[in-house]
Amino acid sequence: QSVLTQPPSASGTPGQRVTISCSGSSSNIGRNTVNWYQQLPGTAPKLLIYSNNQRPSGVPDRFSGSKSGTSASLAISGLQSEDEADYYCAAWDDSLNGPVFGGGTKLTVL
Amino acid sequence: EVQLVESGGGLVQPGRSLRLSCAASGFSFDDYAMHWVRQIPGKGLEWVSGISWNGGITGYADSVKGRFTISRDNAKNSLYLQMNSLRAEDTALYYCAKDIKRGIYGDFDYWGQGTLVTVSS
Repeated sequence: QSVLTQPPSASGTPGQRVTISCSGSSSNIGRNTVNWYQQLPGTAPKLLIYSNNQRPSGVPDRFSGSKSGTSASLAISGLQSEDEADYYCAAWDDSLNGPVFGGGTKLTVL
Repeated sequence: EVQLVESGGGLVQPGRSLRLSCAASGFSFDDYAMHWVRQIPGKGLEWVSGISWNGGITGYADSVKGRFTISRDNAKNSLYLQMNSLRAEDTALYYCAKDIKRGIYGDFDYWGQGTLVTVSS
């Protein structure tokens, strides 16, 4: 049971826009920034979005993040086959005194 | 180029100990906090432990508190995780991850490829 809640799966066709949600509480997303990680099959996670909506250098602007209250979202526009991966949200939790993750969303490009 | 290379994983019996290492290169190791994050194959991510840039502050997940100890040697650009009293539920791929800041904020911008720990009799 993950502290942050994500849908287990999402899908879209090439070129489509897809959003992945992440729900938390006042002790995590409500008070702290949200990061998103992309994990391609068989590889280590990669930082995709930090501080709610900032992209590290090298991450395409097709990826965007937002946060409102105790929820956050990752949007992927112009979906491509190489976007097929697991996506995890994460945030610091003030009650647990450590970072917590969502359970992950498996994105399938149809 | 930032590189994080974990080692020390393997098969260990319940109740025994194991020490993981992470060799870092390509950045100023002593300027950043470091972490261990684990993942049961096919499952999600779980933060295990973090240590500040100078080792002065450490943090642990409740699931490992009192059993695991994180440490670092800035002179050797290395991070360690001493795992004692291992349990079957500690079986996972253990990643070394770099924080974007000096303190333990849990913002991981680089990850190693992981080392697999299997706890089984």
